[in-house]
Amino acid sequence: RKEVEQDPGPFNVPEGATVAFNCTYSNSASQSFFWYRQDCRKEPKLLMSVYSSGNEDGRFTAQLNRASQYISLLIRDSKLSDSATYLCVVNGRTSGTYKYIFGTGTRLKVLA
Amino acid sequence: DAGITQSPRHKVTETGTPVTLRCHQTENHRYMYWYRQDPGHGLRLIHYSYGVKDTDKGEVSDGYSVSRSKTEDFLLTLESATSSQTSVYFCATDPGLAGQRTQYFGPGTRLLVL
Repeated sequence: RKEVEQDPGPFNVPEGATVAFNCTYSNSASQSFFWYRQDCRKEPKLLMSVYSSGNEDGRFTAQLNRASQYISLLIRDSKLSDSATYLCVVNGRTSGTYKYIFGTGTRLKVLA
Repeated sequence: DAGITQSPRHKVTETGTPVTLRCHQTENHRYMYWYRQDPGHGLRLIHYSYGVKDTDKGEVSDGYSVSRSKTEDFLLTLESATSSQTSVYFCATDPGLAGQRTQYFGPGTRLLVL
């Protein structure tokens, strides 16, 4: 089992739609959680950190469920510019080392 | 965004030749990382550094070595490149401050080993 798992998609949605991605992680000792966005042939860029209480940034809402070990990202009112791959990232101490573990990403295509 | 540059941005080389990739940061971040990204695998950690001259192996370190002689520079060397090392290589930095742990990525280096 991968340490961080995501549905690879692609998710094809019309402009204006609401879309949600989930990510599960296996290490219950994980401490911090993030969503990154990666455009084609570009570097990953931090979209938002994910806090236990949930957090919102404009059209984006992230939730963390520690009991079930999953993280979600909700995008409302999708824009063409939201088309990208969304990476779920988890970190925490493993064998004394602070590590970031990346999911393989969920691809989103927003269609006109 | 953190000021992270990578050089070269693209490189084509032949099997058996040595290759060095450079990562340079201007943010004085403590931690630096080298990843490779391949289809179906996501980002995989090659090596990381937690300070000048302090480095450690990641999950795919075989065939790679690193050096960090200054805070701002982290070098990745492929001693004898193989076709399996064809990939996109990303450098990342992390300030390492409690409560502010997150990573910032450089633009990447596309390496093709023929």
